[in-house]
Amino acid sequence: NIVMTQSPKSMSMSVGERVTLRCKASENVGIYVSWYQQKPEQSPKLLIYGTSNRYTGVPDRFTGSGSATDFTLTINNVQAGDLADYHCGQNYIYPPTFGTGTKLELK
Amino acid sequence: EVQLQQSGPELVKPGASVKMSCKASGYTFTSYVMDWVKQKPGQGLEWIGYINPYNDGTKYNEKFKGKATLTSDKSSSTAYMELNSLTSEDSAVYYCARKLWGFDSWGQGTTLTVSS
Repeated sequence: NIVMTQSPKSMSMSVGERVTLRCKASENVGIYVSWYQQKPEQSPKLLIYGTSNRYTGVPDRFTGSGSATDFTLTINNVQAGDLADYHCGQNYIYPPTFGTGTKLELK
Repeated sequence: EVQLQQSGPELVKPGASVKMSCKASGYTFTSYVMDWVKQKPGQGLEWIGYINPYNDGTKYNEKFKGKATLTSDKSSSTAYMELNSLTSEDSAVYYCARKLWGFDSWGQGTTLTVSS
């Protein structure tokens, strides 16, 4: 199975900062990478699909990029409401697989 | 508005089986496959499989073959997942999720606790 490795495991940030989360696939997954935000005690929510497409209602502060094996999620002007776990996932090859997540915390 | 309403928490004994549900509304149930995803406390997401409600076709993660059985009922727009021979390793939150380009809608999750 394709392994998705996220870094860092956790990140402390201040409101207003720009943060970059990374996701590396163990093999080429084209552009079939999505990013999900999961707040405590909530279900994951789709932020980005197809590497760079924002899902409906997602603020343009969230930007996805990358291709093949290396992908990033950038959050500009981080808000307190962005504190959450962020998961990347690939759906290029079955089974779909996910990274272990990056936890965004307040500094 | 798309909604996936999952059944409530389950506490079951080791060795037993459990069947949980996911009722869909706000879209045509048979137009999208329904996936199921497992999340153990403090861990990442693990894909279990999907069912196509249009033709009841299924696809499973090899790891969950023999453990999970996916079914659906078009008349009630409900997907089901049955887990058998439960052990403590099955204790987790289980989500149903609709997938198109990504998993765009998720249920609220069903918490399964396996304990004697």
